[in-house]
Amino acid sequence: QKEVEQDPGPLSVPEGAIVSLNCTYSNSAFQYFMWYRQYSRKGPELLMYTYSSGNKEDGRFTAQVDKSSKYISLFIRDSQPSDSATYLCAMVGGNTGFQKLVFGTGTRLLVSP
Amino acid sequence: KAGVTQTPRYLIKTRGQQVTLSCSPISGHRSVSWYQQTPGQGLQFLFEYFSETQRNKGNFPGRFSGRQFSNSRSEMNVSTLELGDSALYLCASSLEEVQYFGPGTRLLVL
Repeated sequence: QKEVEQDPGPLSVPEGAIVSLNCTYSNSAFQYFMWYRQYSRKGPELLMYTYSSGNKEDGRFTAQVDKSSKYISLFIRDSQPSDSATYLCAMVGGNTGFQKLVFGTGTRLLVSP
Repeated sequence: KAGVTQTPRYLIKTRGQQVTLSCSPISGHRSVSWYQQTPGQGLQFLFEYFSETQRNKGNFPGRFSGRQFSNSRSEMNVSTLELGDSALYLCASSLEEVQYFGPGTRLLVL
């Protein structure tokens, strides 16, 4: 079993839809949770990071962490075609140290006009 | 502030050769991590350097090595290249827990 599970998609939605992206994890020692966006042939770009359980909002993006369920989500409101990319969740902390990010496989999102 | 830069951006090598990739972190960041990204395995941690010392290491063979210089710039080296080493190699720099990635070096081994 992988430490971080993420549905690879692709997830296809129409422009303006609310998108929900999710990851589950097995290592309860993880302390920091991040979401990266990666466009084709580019490096991952940091979107959001959170430390505690609960919600964190930044513009059209909301990151949600539920440590009791070992579940994190990224919501995108009013999705745009420019949001089409692969979204990677990443986690760090505990016995893996604070430098070794553990990534999900990434979910490919397609937003059609 | 300038982001993480990596050189070269693209590289083609043949089996058995060696390769050196370079990474310049964000100014002020002292930690540099390296990752390998492939379609089959996703993003996998190679190693991390802080103040010229390797602080953390992933599960890769000894053919993969790295170093960090006093100005925090880092290099990684892969010796005796294999076809399976074809991948996007990403460098990330960090001040604390959050890592910022460069554009990557795409390596193709023929």
